[in-house]
Amino acid sequence: GESVGLHLPTLSVQEGDNSIINCAYSNSASDYFIWYKQESGKGPQFIIDIRSNMDKRQGQRVTVLLNKTVKHLSLQIAATQPGDSAVYFCAENNDDYKLSFGAGTTVTVRA
Amino acid sequence: NAGVTQTPKFQVLKTGQSMTLQCAQDMNHEYMSWYRQDPGMGLRLIHYSVGAGITDQGEVPNGYNVSRSTTEDFPLRLLSAAPSQTSVYFCASSTKPGTEAFFGQGTRLTVV
Repeated sequence: GESVGLHLPTLSVQEGDNSIINCAYSNSASDYFIWYKQESGKGPQFIIDIRSNMDKRQGQRVTVLLNKTVKHLSLQIAATQPGDSAVYFCAENNDDYKLSFGAGTTVTVRA
Repeated sequence: NAGVTQTPKFQVLKTGQSMTLQCAQDMNHEYMSWYRQDPGMGLRLIHYSVGAGITDQGEVPNGYNVSRSTTEDFPLRLLSAAPSQTSVYFCASSTKPGTEAFFGQGTRLTVV
């Protein structure tokens, strides 16, 4: 899940700027992390994942960074677009059968 | 492929009523799970199943039952609805537990 200290529940971004969404996870034994995007009225949708043996992984316009030392995960969105407005969740696998989700960050893109 | 299909999309129940939320997936995933989503709390795991005939409790199982008679279907039963069960419910499936999960569109349940 996300700690109060590092997690911002809302983020307002100017269209075209880069977005950075932060997440602090709780279990140092977690070995797999996922970022999900949830648009209004829809179910969460997979964006990108990363395993604990990696520090960085890139997708199309998105990059996930993992800092195991401070148990911090971030999602960077390049050139943010109006369609990126959504709630973003990080999830960690700290049990073989379960994903634990953070509270989410609501991203609003300003035109 | 339709992915994960949930029905109904919306439901209003009176306190004490029972109902079943349906979930079906056509991806031949062994692992399925139910979550509830409440404002400011993210998604919390209710029950999960690692295969047909096998179910287990998640973080918030009280007041809910599940069964898994087939790979495709994983219904969630509310035994006696309470206002505290007002929430949005999501069903998810994945090839392996604890990995990328595909979510349904959700069922918005209101208990009055």
